[in-house]
Amino acid sequence: SQQGEEDPQALSIQEGENATMNCSYKTSINNLQWYRQNSGRGLVHLILIRSNEREKHSGRLRVTLDTSKKSSSLLITASRAADTASYFCATDILGGSEKLVFGKGTKLTVNP
Amino acid sequence: KAGVTQTPRYLIKTRGQQVTLSCSPISGHRSVSWYQQTPGQGLQFLFEYFSETQRNKGNFPGRFSGRQFSNSRSEMNVSTLELGDSALYLCASRPVLGDAGELFFGEGSRLTVL
Repeated sequence: SQQGEEDPQALSIQEGENATMNCSYKTSINNLQWYRQNSGRGLVHLILIRSNEREKHSGRLRVTLDTSKKSSSLLITASRAADTASYFCATDILGGSEKLVFGKGTKLTVNP
Repeated sequence: KAGVTQTPRYLIKTRGQQVTLSCSPISGHRSVSWYQQTPGQGLQFLFEYFSETQRNKGNFPGRFSGRQFSNSRSEMNVSTLELGDSALYLCASRPVLGDAGELFFGEGSRLTVL
């Protein structure tokens, strides 16, 4: 079963707008990561946030983590058509087997 | 530094056949993980190898197997293929086990079972 669940499943916005994707998970974690996948390609790591961190930035990306609510959000500011992709959260479960468990992803479309 | 290389990129098989997929990790990375990605189930963890030993295994039938060689290259094999095995198989590497940091993914092998 999936540990992380992204919301929404699909998101369509205009270039220049901000895109927010959410991830909820079920059990305590060591860290949470976000990945991007262009259609039919491999995944690319975007950002990692540890369980003792609340917010992290990388370029136009901002990730928040709320361990009390077991949720994370990924914000992409000033989106571009090139940001069109699927975005996945992945969790490293605390006390688990060190494998990363992925959600089903949010498909983001940025219209020019 | 070269990325994770997966071969073949595309292949078509028929039911009942078997298939072997190959993965060469980033130089120096000793951990290799395999994932199956389908539209319905998303990314499902298959197994992880480290230093030629299987460290973790997902919930897949015994038809799915893998191995890792001394140079960290890994192969996975699926025997007695079923239609539902059609998927994108992704390999990912990382330097060591322990704190589950960033995974580096290959471009995947797309398997179609007819």
